[in-house]
Amino acid sequence: VQLVQSGAEVKKPGASVKVSCKASGYTFTSYGINWVRQAPGQGLEWMGWISGYNGDTNSVQKFQGRLTMTTDTSTSTAHMEVRSLRSDDTAVYYCARDLVVGATGTGEFDSWGQGTLVTVSS
Amino acid sequence: DIQMTQSPSSLSASVGDRVTITCRASQSISIYLNWYQQKPGKAPKLLIYAASSLQSGVPSRFSGSGSGTDFTLTISSLQPEDFATYYCQQSHNTPWTFGQGTKVEIK
Repeated sequence: VQLVQSGAEVKKPGASVKVSCKASGYTFTSYGINWVRQAPGQGLEWMGWISGYNGDTNSVQKFQGRLTMTTDTSTSTAHMEVRSLRSDDTAVYYCARDLVVGATGTGEFDSWGQGTLVTVSS
Repeated sequence: DIQMTQSPSSLSASVGDRVTITCRASQSISIYLNWYQQKPGKAPKLLIYAASSLQSGVPSRFSGSGSGTDFTLTISSLQPEDFATYYCQQSHNTPWTFGQGTKVEIK
């Protein structure tokens, strides 16, 4: 199992960023993908989950309206877009696969991407 | 949201020591508790899920216990590669939430 994320981004406040996560080594539609972020020197924050099977999503209320998660099953890739970026969105963003096969995320993350640093600065 | 509190925030230990990290949930989470290890500049790694189940490939010196609100991660004999930050995470209710982390440093 391998998750490979897109490269680092530098964005201005108010802009949007889209991070991709290309999966390999397993059947993409059998597992969900989670997005977790980590601000510099800080802990881990779960942002949301998307089903690899049917695209259903579940996200933290604080991101609703700014966060869009999608999948492209033809390329086994998950995407996460955050809009209206603020300086406190500066973080490393990780994608992480569900441990358990199925269409409902159960909250255990067994394989992680390498992380994508998003820097928001004017 | 369920709050997860780890203790201590950091500890110093020597190779061969037995190390214990605790995690407390703000409400009962049954056994829906996971432990991750993170080394600097790297993604977290799942060690333990469902409070006490060892993830495939993780050395048996790692063990987890607990249920309800109180949980423990134990490293039976600390190895040089175990110096890292450890996070607990609840998977009982969304939003899934993590503890603030425990940094294990070399004494």
